[in-house]
Amino acid sequence: KAGVTQTPRYLIKTRGQQVTLSCSPISGHRSVSWYQQTPGQGLQFLFEYFSETQRNKGNFPGRFSGRQFSNSRSEMNVSTLELGDSALYLCASSLQGMNEKLFFGSGTQLSVL
Amino acid sequence: GEDVEQSLFLSVREGDSSVINCTYTDSSSTYLYWYKQEPGAGLQLLTYIFSNMDMKQDQRLTVLLNKKDKHLSLRIADTQTGDSAIYFCAERGTGTYKYIFGTGTRLKVLA
Repeated sequence: KAGVTQTPRYLIKTRGQQVTLSCSPISGHRSVSWYQQTPGQGLQFLFEYFSETQRNKGNFPGRFSGRQFSNSRSEMNVSTLELGDSALYLCASSLQGMNEKLFFGSGTQLSVL
Repeated sequence: GEDVEQSLFLSVREGDSSVINCTYTDSSSTYLYWYKQEPGAGLQLLTYIFSNMDMKQDQRLTVLLNKKDKHLSLRIADTQTGDSAIYFCAERGTGTYKYIFGTGTRLKVLA
């Protein structure tokens, strides 16, 4: 069974641009959650989707948004990029999202110049 | 509030035991997890414990939970160089879909 796939692996953008990251969960998994990882802050929860609905949201500004498609694939979008958005963005999937183990992708490393 | 704290670094010699500690604040947390992150990779679940348990052992890994002090620890017996990684503890309360992760402990194993 293929694992969680995130694309692209690396991204370099400049301030003010926008970016879209993609995540394909493990086949059969319906819950997808996103995390931002930085050296100083650790892992911060962004949001979680289940069956195309956002079920939970972290404390990030509205510039961070996401969606989930009917095939459970998910995208997250960051608009008007800031230098502080440079981070590793991790996607995790699970079967139902409740009482479940998370399976992580390798992440997308975003650098904002 | 929600906060999970871990020490940032731990260095041990190969063959020794490693103990990574974590404190959490949400007393309603039902599930507590330990994840491992190797360089350039995502997080991998190592083990987890339910809040009604005090201890769980899985091969070289032993998890101890002190609910009164809200303290969780991960002991790795016979630590190997391949255990060098960042270890995250995480909590989740009943009825929530949000995991709260600690800042991670970087374990360095010296040969």
